[in-house]
Amino acid sequence: DGGITQSPKYLFRKEGQNVTLSCEQNLNHDAMYWYRQDPGQGLRLIYYSQIVNDFQKGDIAEGYSVSREKKESFPLTVTSAQKNPTAFYLCASRDTAYTGELFFGEGSRLTVL
Amino acid sequence: KNQVEQSPQSLIILEGKNCTLQCNYTVSPFSNLRWYKQDTGRGPVSLTIMTFSENTKSNGRYTATLDADTKQSSLHITASQLSDSASYICVVTSILTGGGNKLTFGTGTQLKVEL
Repeated sequence: DGGITQSPKYLFRKEGQNVTLSCEQNLNHDAMYWYRQDPGQGLRLIYYSQIVNDFQKGDIAEGYSVSREKKESFPLTVTSAQKNPTAFYLCASRDTAYTGELFFGEGSRLTVL
Repeated sequence: KNQVEQSPQSLIILEGKNCTLQCNYTVSPFSNLRWYKQDTGRGPVSLTIMTFSENTKSNGRYTATLDADTKQSSLHITASQLSDSASYICVVTSILTGGGNKLTFGTGTQLKVEL
């Protein structure tokens, strides 16, 4: 089935450690996105990529890094510089049309111990 | 500042009853508005999309309305079911100067349907 796969579903991290969240899509979408979701807040954009080997910072990029070496893959690294990393992380993709629907993965919940 | 505000923040209804969720936005220039349903611990799934020229659109028991003049949208759920319990998120797309677009997310309405 076509869709977006995020892994792991749950992740625990000690302070000072970097962690990488995986996001893979087989929808042949050019654009991919990473969002952070916290209770009581709307989704906030971390990074996005419109094409392979190119990506842009979103509204809350500090403490995060990404790569886009393949069209299908857009991994997110949460670095030790991110001061409050505990959150639910959502990866999404869409075609680049203005009305294009965002297709979301199932999310990854990161908890810092 | 572009904003999307949803109300109520949370809602509890009995199974079989109807409910209406509200979304007010100040996003400009407007491209489209989507309603997403997000089950707990899952990713959001699109329910409907509304463009400037549309004022009503249905998807099964879900009916969305849009008033582009007052910048308001509503999502009406008919004959609610336990599986409707979820967060409903309003997302407005605006067109950026020079091309591209930006999505602004509301904080969602948490709906619980009880027996």
